[in-house]
Parts: sequence; C-alpha cells; structure tokens
Amino acid sequence: DQQVKQNSPSLSVQEGRISILNCDYTNSMFDYFLWYKKYPAEGPTFLISISSIKDKNEDGRFTVFLNKSAKHLSLHIVPSQPGDSAVYFCAAKRAGANNLFFGTGTRLTVIP
Amino acid sequence: NAGVTQTPKFRVLKTGQSMTLLCAQDMNHEYMYWYRQDPGMGLRLIHYSVGEGTTAKGEVPDGYNVSRLKKQNFLLGLESAAPSQTSVYFCASRRDSSSYNSPLHFGNGTRLTVT
Repeated sequence: DQQVKQNSPSLSVQEGRISILNCDYTNSMFDYFLWYKKYPAEGPTFLISISSIKDKNEDGRFTVFLNKSAKHLSLHIVPSQPGDSAVYFCAAKRAGANNLFFGTGTRLTVIP
Repeated sequence: NAGVTQTPKFRVLKTGQSMTLLCAQDMNHEYMYWYRQDPGMGLRLIHYSVGEGTTAKGEVPDGYNVSRLKKQNFLLGLESAAPSQTSVYFCASRRDSSSYNSPLHFGNGTRLTVT
C-alpha cells in the first residue's frame, strides 16, 4: 500500500512560470518530508525538506508547503528553468525511523 | 570527493544466477541503504545498515542478502536471480539518524535485467 502518493506522473510548464508539484500521504505519524530531484542515469539528489512543525520552507526558487490536516505537501518552483526538467520524488518518514517512504515521482518538463 | 559509488552500472543475469552489487561511500557515513526503483512503485527499501557489522530488513528484503564488513562498503547479493528482480538498484548513505541535517546521498544506480 503506497503511503506516499504523487498522482501526477508528468507536468509541463513554460520557462519563467511557476511549477507546482503535489504529494499526498496517508500515515499521520510522518513528521519529516523531503523532495528529491532525479536526472536520467543519475541517483536522486536532495532538494529541500520540511518538518511537521512548520508549514513552509523556502530555499531560493524552491518552496515546500505542508498542510498536515489534509496530509498534503507541495513543491513550488518559481521561476521555472529548463534545467529544472527532471523527475521529482516526494518522501516522508517518522521520527526515529530509518526508512524513507517515496512517492512514484512526477516528471517535470520546463519548456524554453 | 566521489560520494556514493555503485558498481556495476549495468548487468544482465539469467534466472538462477547469482551476483553481488557493490556500494562504496567516502563520506564516513554511518548509515547505508539499498533501494530498488520500479515503474509505478517509487523507491522501496530492501535492506539497510546503521553501522559497520550491522544489517536490517526493509520493506522488500526477500531474495536479497547484504553485508557491511567495512564502514565504507555495503554489498547487496542476489543468490538466485528471478525476473521479478529486474529493477534499478540505488545505494544511499547518510551521516546519522538526525532527520534535519542528514539527508540521503544516492549513487547513480545499477540497472539489472534478469531474463
């Protein structure tokens, strides 16, 4: 049973516009959430994270929003750039646990 | 600084053959992990290690064994490969168990096909 879900397999956005990637989770015990970015033939790389005590975390062009009541998080990329084209994975974990649960990924294409 | 290195990059096996995937990290990380990535499934944890000489099962451990004889190396073994083990395998490491300062660092993956 998928505990972390990314319901949009793909997303296309014009360069300069906002990209919004969504993620839902089912386990209310998750307290830490991460986004990873993956280029073809490479491993995922860490992008940004958020703790459940916050509802927003910003890092440059990337902002992650967390809505605990809805068990939903989103990644906003503003402005989107062609180099942002990649697969984005959402992940979540419980405090003290060793396992990260990953979503199935969303392929973002930024059109120049 | 190489980070996490996986060998081999590609491998084709016949059903019933065995092989070992090697993961090496040069960041002095305590924790190491093996994940598999399948279409429509995301990344799933196979086994992990919280330090030299320790191993533990993840979500999908059946058909795999692991060893962590040295802190920098984490080996994943398939004793008798099956077509269901066709996947992309990723090794990852992290410094410690602290969530906030210790994200996973991944290798570039091993693409395994079992015919």
